[in-house]
Amino acid sequence: KNEVEQSPQNLTAQEGKFITINCSYSVGISALHWLQQHPGGGIVSLFMLSSGKKKHGRLIATINIQEKHSSLHITASHPRDSAVYICAVPGSQGNLIFGKGTKLSVKP
Amino acid sequence: DTGVSQDPRHKITKRGQNVTFRCDPISEHNRLYWYRQTLGQGPEFLTYFQNEAQLEKSRLLSDRFSAERPKGSFSTLEIQRTEQGDSAMYLCASSSSGRLMKRLFFGSGTQLSVL
Repeated sequence: KNEVEQSPQNLTAQEGKFITINCSYSVGISALHWLQQHPGGGIVSLFMLSSGKKKHGRLIATINIQEKHSSLHITASHPRDSAVYICAVPGSQGNLIFGKGTKLSVKP
Repeated sequence: DTGVSQDPRHKITKRGQNVTFRCDPISEHNRLYWYRQTLGQGPEFLTYFQNEAQLEKSRLLSDRFSAERPKGSFSTLEIQRTEQGDSAMYLCASSSSGRLMKRLFFGSGTQLSVL
């Protein structure tokens, strides 16, 4: 079974700061997902990556397959970035195993 | 709206009652997943379908839980004899299939409260 650990659990930052959220997993994978969940439950897929780095606007995701580690970075953070960020990896037979999430709060 | 839709958004029920939730995936997606999420936790996998076939069920899915996807389109999740511990957000997601994992699209969830 693949275990997914995220850190930190909670993160409060001032608007404009650079933010990093980390994810570690225990078993080799083909791809890793980063998702964003806003209050009220809606989950949005941010990235799916299997190597290197992906960038979308102010969001950057990196993965190191050898070290079984991924990071999500947010540059020039904004209060609207406040959400729970969840890392997920494939489980057996096509499902996803989710981390517990990192609750980010960006203060103006 | 062509996203994943779930109905109802909220359900309040008394312990012991049966409840049924519905999920309509994105129409061209043949994979459909059910997840459960409690406060402060990430989503936990319950079950998933490829077309109408239920391919995997989590140990979390007790005998009181049953899921169907009769025509390979919408899916229902039924909980019989609800317990207070069943209170959670029930999330549905869909994706296309293929050799590699595909991006998941989530519905807004059904929040169940068992009194």
